[in-house]
Amino acid sequence: DGGITQSPKYLFRKEGQNVTLSCEQNLNHDAMYWYRQDPGQGLRLIYYSQIVNDFQKGDIAEGYSVSREKKESFPLTVTSAQKNPTAFYLCASSLGLAGNQETQYFGPGTRLLVL
Amino acid sequence: AQSVSQHNHHVILSEAASLELGCNYSYGGTVNLFWYVQYPGQHLQLLLKYFSGDPLVKGIKGFEAEFIKSKFSFNLRKPSVQWSDTAEYFCAVRGNYGQNFVFGPGTRLSVLP
Repeated sequence: DGGITQSPKYLFRKEGQNVTLSCEQNLNHDAMYWYRQDPGQGLRLIYYSQIVNDFQKGDIAEGYSVSREKKESFPLTVTSAQKNPTAFYLCASSLGLAGNQETQYFGPGTRLLVL
Repeated sequence: AQSVSQHNHHVILSEAASLELGCNYSYGGTVNLFWYVQYPGQHLQLLLKYFSGDPLVKGIKGFEAEFIKSKFSFNLRKPSVQWSDTAEYFCAVRGNYGQNFVFGPGTRLSVLP
């Protein structure tokens, strides 16, 4: 069953703590993305990666970090520097970044709550 | 910078009513346009997309959207909605020269049976 998995579904973080959100895809897609979804604001791009060992900042990268050591995996770390981390985080992937390849497929999301 | 606006935050319709959800973007160059839908408890999924060619695009489940370049708009339409269309709808834009995807704030559609 092909698709994108995100874990965990819910994640609780204490103030000052770093947490890592998992995103795995078995679609053989080159590009992967992380978005943050807040009520009334739609999705905002945090980071994206076109290819293994390469990633670029999106519109709201401050307080986040990523790695892309394997094609199928694109974990997101929410660091203690992120002042307002409570949100719904969505991972997506696409074949590529050009033309008809850039249609994105989304995972089920992880809801992060700060205690 | 690109931005996307969606005119309505929450739309409530009765079954069989016609639907039009507005989407406007600000970007002067060539764009790729998308509508995504998020049904309750489900993943965000692609409804339809426009890259080039016929500005009237047909998607899944009877939805269509029309790209009007002069108005920077990509409105979503459906002639007759069903209760199962209850969902949140997001318009997204990407400039054709390596710009990031930009999503609108979303429109929640509630269809009353």
